[in-house]
Amino acid sequence: NAGVTQTPKFQVLKTGQSMTLQCAQDMNHEYMSWYRQDPGMGLRLIHYSVGAGITDQGEVPNGYNVSRSTTEDFPLRLLSAAPSQTSVYFCASSLGQGALNEQYFGPGTRLTVT
Amino acid sequence: AQSVTQPDIHITVSEGASLELRCNYSYGATPYLFWYVQSPGQGLQLLLKYFSGDTLVQGIKGFEAEFKRSQSSFNLRKPSVHWSDAAEYFCAATNNAGNMLTFGGGTRLMVKP
Repeated sequence: NAGVTQTPKFQVLKTGQSMTLQCAQDMNHEYMSWYRQDPGMGLRLIHYSVGAGITDQGEVPNGYNVSRSTTEDFPLRLLSAAPSQTSVYFCASSLGQGALNEQYFGPGTRLTVT
Repeated sequence: AQSVTQPDIHITVSEGASLELRCNYSYGATPYLFWYVQSPGQGLQLLLKYFSGDTLVQGIKGFEAEFKRSQSSFNLRKPSVHWSDAAEYFCAATNNAGNMLTFGGGTRLMVKP
């Protein structure tokens, strides 16, 4: 198993540009989520999904869209990038919802918005 | 508001020395508690977790953590640090059936030879 994969690893955007961060998992996990990591703030939840066709907002959803058309994929879209979205983005997945299910994290995407 | 605090942003220890990383939480009830490690350029890996029962939990890579309800703490320890332990460590908590973890700000560990 590849686990949780994320592409790209690095990306530089100009303010106002759009892009999609890709996340895929091959473990047949129902639950997937996106976090952003900023210095001194740990990870903060952006959006999550409990299964195909179901998404919900986390702690910091503004400026981001998600969809979940398949179990495997959970892309994160930035419609109009802003410098405040400069961060490292992590995707995670787990077998199901609930703290008893271990979350597996991808390697991250480092995004810079100028 | 629910929060997790890691008071130490950076810690440097000598190889072979003992290690304790601090974590404090503020929740209405006892949360589920976790420690994750992030090696440079990598995602997070779960070291250990506490749900209930024995307050001393063992994890991978020789780490352990002790839950102390009276101090609202969940400190991570290792008796003898190896150079490969240099990484960033995150404490996290959740108090519901969901996976919405609240993370501390992280502690960056450096290991001196």
